[in-house]
Amino acid sequence: KNEVEQSPQNLTAQEGEFITINCSYSVGISALHWLQQHPGGGIVSLFMLSSGKKKHGRLIATINIQEKHSSLHITASHPRDSAVYICAVSRDSNYQLIWGAGTKLIIKP
Amino acid sequence: GAVVSQHPSWVICKSGTSVKIECRSLDFQATTMFWYRQFPKQSLMLMATSNEGSKATYEQGVEKDKFLINHASLTLSTLTVTSAHPEDSSFYICSANPQQATAYNEQFFGPGTRLTVL
Repeated sequence: KNEVEQSPQNLTAQEGEFITINCSYSVGISALHWLQQHPGGGIVSLFMLSSGKKKHGRLIATINIQEKHSSLHITASHPRDSAVYICAVSRDSNYQLIWGAGTKLIIKP
Repeated sequence: GAVVSQHPSWVICKSGTSVKIECRSLDFQATTMFWYRQFPKQSLMLMATSNEGSKATYEQGVEKDKFLINHASLTLSTLTVTSAHPEDSSFYICSANPQQATAYNEQFFGPGTRLTVL
């Protein structure tokens, strides 16, 4: 079993829909990262969370440390949100990231 | 925010040649940089951890003589793919940790370098 699991693997939605991507992990962590990778490959760090909730524009990320679960939400989705969204965790006392497999999101106009 | 650059962004080379990829932190000092590779439709795989002024730590299965890493300064790490072969064709991404203790857990990612070996 992978230490970081994301769901769904693939998600196709219509423009304007509310999007939720989930991430569960099984190890002790000091932080959880949500990252975005567009076709062409460059990775952008969206959020780093250790507790609670963060919001940036139309993106919201939450984390429940007790349940070892995080969600990334996109409100009023747009075709330019189409990308792979990756969850990764930093283990306690260790900088290295453990990566989820990613969720490929396609937003249709 | 903190910016990490990579150069080149893409490179095509002949089999048997060596390719150097640079990773720079532009507005912060990074004691630790990481090198990842990504095959098509797969998640990133950590290759090595690079600490300024010391030898890199390679992940199991990564050949240190093939993937030479040098972290000579707090703003620059280089990855050299020696005697490249077509199976080395991949997307290589670096990330950097800021030096400040309060940001120990942050990583900032470079845009990646796409290597194609003919």
